[in-house]
Amino acid sequence: IAGITQAPTSQILAAGRRMTLRCTQDMRHNAMYWYRQDLGLGLRLIHYSNTAGTTGKGEVPDGYSVSRANTDDFPLTLASAVPSQTSVYFCASSDSWADTQYFGPGTRLTVL
Amino acid sequence: RKEVEQDPGPFNVPEGATVAFNCTYSNSASQSFFWYRQDCRKEPKLLMSVYSSGNEDGRFTAQLNRASQYISLLIRDSKLSDSATYLCVVNSNDYKLSFGAGTTVTVRA
Repeated sequence: IAGITQAPTSQILAAGRRMTLRCTQDMRHNAMYWYRQDLGLGLRLIHYSNTAGTTGKGEVPDGYSVSRANTDDFPLTLASAVPSQTSVYFCASSDSWADTQYFGPGTRLTVL
Repeated sequence: RKEVEQDPGPFNVPEGATVAFNCTYSNSASQSFFWYRQDCRKEPKLLMSVYSSGNEDGRFTAQLNRASQYISLLIRDSKLSDSATYLCVVNSNDYKLSFGAGTTVTVRA
């Protein structure tokens, strides 16, 4: 089934640990995005990639890094998790920045 | 000022009612506008794009007012299944879309 997959579905993590959230799409979309969603704040862009090999910082990039080695995968890494990174993380993709974005099912992350 | 602002609601309406709500955006150069729907912290899904001339999709009507910088969504003949959070989405610059925090609609039997 075409779409976006994310892993893990949920995770509880100790503060200070390193964590990589995985995102894979099979729609051959050029652009991919990572958002976090917190109550009352809506979706906030963490990092984006307009095409394989390029990445950019979004609205809230601090504490996160991404890579885009190929078209399909866009992992998000928390180098040293902190409790304020407790959130629901959504990966999305689109043909281009202005097109409809398709979202993965999300990863619910709790940092203790 | 937030790039996209929405009335969080909730709008609590009976089945069959009409409900409408707006979203304002700050960037007058914005070109792309969308309404997304999100159920219970599941992933957002596109409901409809919003075109300059306004557009309908079944019971849903979207309007764009560039002069006042807002978009609207109207739901006619509300169904229980319309209960959700509706996200207003606007392109804010040349690389990303900005999402509103959402308007919650609850349709009661």
